[in-house]
Amino acid sequence: RKEVEQDPGPFNVPEGATVAFNCTYSNSASQSFFWYRQDCRKEPKLLMSVYSSGNEDGRFTAQLNRASQYISLLIRDSKLSDSATYLCVVNTGRRALTFGSGTRLQVQP
Amino acid sequence: NAGVTQTPKFQVLKTGQSMTLQCAQDMNHNSMYWYRQDPGMGLRLIYYSASEGTTDKGEVPNGYNVSRLNKREFSLRLESAAPSQTSVYFCASRRDSNQPQHFGDGTRLSIL
Repeated sequence: RKEVEQDPGPFNVPEGATVAFNCTYSNSASQSFFWYRQDCRKEPKLLMSVYSSGNEDGRFTAQLNRASQYISLLIRDSKLSDSATYLCVVNTGRRALTFGSGTRLQVQP
Repeated sequence: NAGVTQTPKFQVLKTGQSMTLQCAQDMNHNSMYWYRQDPGMGLRLIYYSASEGTTDKGEVPNGYNVSRLNKREFSLRLESAAPSQTSVYFCASRRDSNQPQHFGDGTRLSIL
């Protein structure tokens, strides 16, 4: 079983839609969690950290469910510029962050 | 606002040539990392340095060596390049184990 699993997609949604991505992780000792965004052939960029209480940043909401070991990202009112690959990232306190393989989002006009 | 700086941005090598990829961060981060990303694939950790003076292997270290020159700089060396090492190489750093990583904008390496 992979340490971090994501649905690869692609998710094709119209502009203005709400879309949600889920991610599961296997290590119950994981300590912190992040969502990154990666545009084609560019470096991953931190989108937001994920806290147990849930957190929101504009149109983006992240949730963490430790009991079920999953993380979610909700994007409201999708824009064309949201088209990218979204990486779920888990920190187990070991050598480096563990990156999921990513979920590709394509927002269509 | 430099962050993590990688040089060069692009490079073409012939099989068997050697090359060093440079990475420097100005955020006073303790840990630094080298990843490779092949087309359509996820990130794979090559080597990392948890702190100045230490280096450790990641998932795919074969064919590479690293040097943590000082707190700021972490270089990746290909001693004898092979076509299978054609990839985009990302350097990253972070302050400590509970913080996110910050990435450089990558080195695109082609080996013919």
